Amino acid sequence: EPEVTQTPSHQVTQMGQEVILRCVPISNHLYFYWYRQILGQKVEFLVSFYNNEISEKSEIFDDQFSVERPDGSNFTLKIRSTKLEDSAMYFCASSEFIGSGSLRGYFGPGTRLTVT
Amino acid sequence: SQKIEQNSEALNIQEGKTATLTCNYTNYSPAYLQWYRQDPGRGPVFLLLIRENEKEKRKERLKVTFDTTLKQSLFHITASQPADSATYLCALDEGSSASKIIFGSGTRLSIRP
Repeated sequence: EPEVTQTPSHQVTQMGQEVILRCVPISNHLYFYWYRQILGQKVEFLVSFYNNEISEKSEIFDDQFSVERPDGSNFTLKIRSTKLEDSAMYFCASSEFIGSGSLRGYFGPGTRLTVT
Repeated sequence: SQKIEQNSEALNIQEGKTATLTCNYTNYSPAYLQWYRQDPGRGPVFLLLIRENEKEKRKERLKVTFDTTLKQSLFHITASQPADSATYLCALDEGSSASKIIFGSGTRLSIRP
């Protein structure tokens, strides 16, 4: 079965530094997402992306965050100036549109971001 | 905004029994509701999707029900096995665009041999 891949699996960065998390969604999918999960907490929606633009974003997704699909395969999340509270597992997901507005999410293995 | 409540943080049952997990939502009924499994340190894995006009959906030992009057979905695992031990997440779309899937906090299921 096709998979969503993410790199790196673990990223350690210093507070104030920029990080870019990378994802390769499943090739024929149309919707792309970023979620985060702080240790022990729930999976939180950050942003969805469709047709080369942001469809929805949450309150968490402020000006420090941006997403990009630089080519036909990669989908990236950039955090401009990391804070300690950005430490979390970041999951990329992609969806196929299966009719009637139904979206089934395929999630990547995650990137663990540690901000020191 | 839509809120999802998964009533039990943790559920422990004996192998072979049926596990029943509950998901309640607070506002409008979504067009569909999804269940995912998450193992520690891993991403959620899609299990089942049920649409608002479906009362019940089955897949092997899994069964999901969707009651829009009660604003509730039940997720059942029959003949449970220790390998079913994981966190189970309820998810639904928020908003009209169906491009924002939100998750409940999950129920951690432990199946003891």
